[in-house]
Amino acid sequence: DGGITQSPKYLFRKEGQNVTLSCEQNLNHDAMYWYRQDPGQGLRLIYYSQIVNDFQKGDIAEGYSVSREKKESFPLTVTSAQKNPTAFYLCASSPLILATPTGNYGYTFGSGTRLTVV
Amino acid sequence: GQQLNQSPQSMFIQEGEDVSMNCTSSSIFNTWLWYKQDPGEGPVLLIALYKAGELTSNGRLTAQFGITRKDSFLNISASIPSDVGIYFCAGRRSNKLIFGTGTLLAVQP
Repeated sequence: DGGITQSPKYLFRKEGQNVTLSCEQNLNHDAMYWYRQDPGQGLRLIYYSQIVNDFQKGDIAEGYSVSREKKESFPLTVTSAQKNPTAFYLCASSPLILATPTGNYGYTFGSGTRLTVV
Repeated sequence: GQQLNQSPQSMFIQEGEDVSMNCTSSSIFNTWLWYKQDPGEGPVLLIALYKAGELTSNGRLTAQFGITRKDSFLNISASIPSDVGIYFCAGRRSNKLIFGTGTLLAVQP
């Protein structure tokens, strides 16, 4: 079955360390996204990519970095420059064109990674 | 970045009650979507609305695409404990989704 996989589910990081969150999809989607969710908060866009080797900053990109070397993979690195990294991180993917003559598409989300800085 | 306004922000109800929530925007959208996020999981698509005025049902869920294209509504009838979670609306403009601020639903058995 096609889907989007995030790993690990839980991650603990010491202050001052970089950490990379994995996101892999086998849906053949061109676009991928990273969101941050804090308790009781909505989804805030960190980075997104619409094509391999290209990505764009979202609303809260500072302290984060991404790469898109393969269509299937969009890893997120939380750097030591991110002042408050403890949060729930969600990866999503979608076709590049969300509306077609045969239907509309939304985003498909992974199950998330909860990052805690200790 | 833009987020859509959802209300209420949270709801605490008894099992069996009906629930209503809505999402509003200052600009129009071509598609409205409703997602549900179970605790500790990613959001899952519940309902998609494609035309202004459209009313669509999925089991106990009913959603409407507002006539002005600037709002959408979600109703849940006869709530059950597994309805607990965060409900997000999302509007499509061009090839991007803009998400709402979320409505937290708690259902007491």
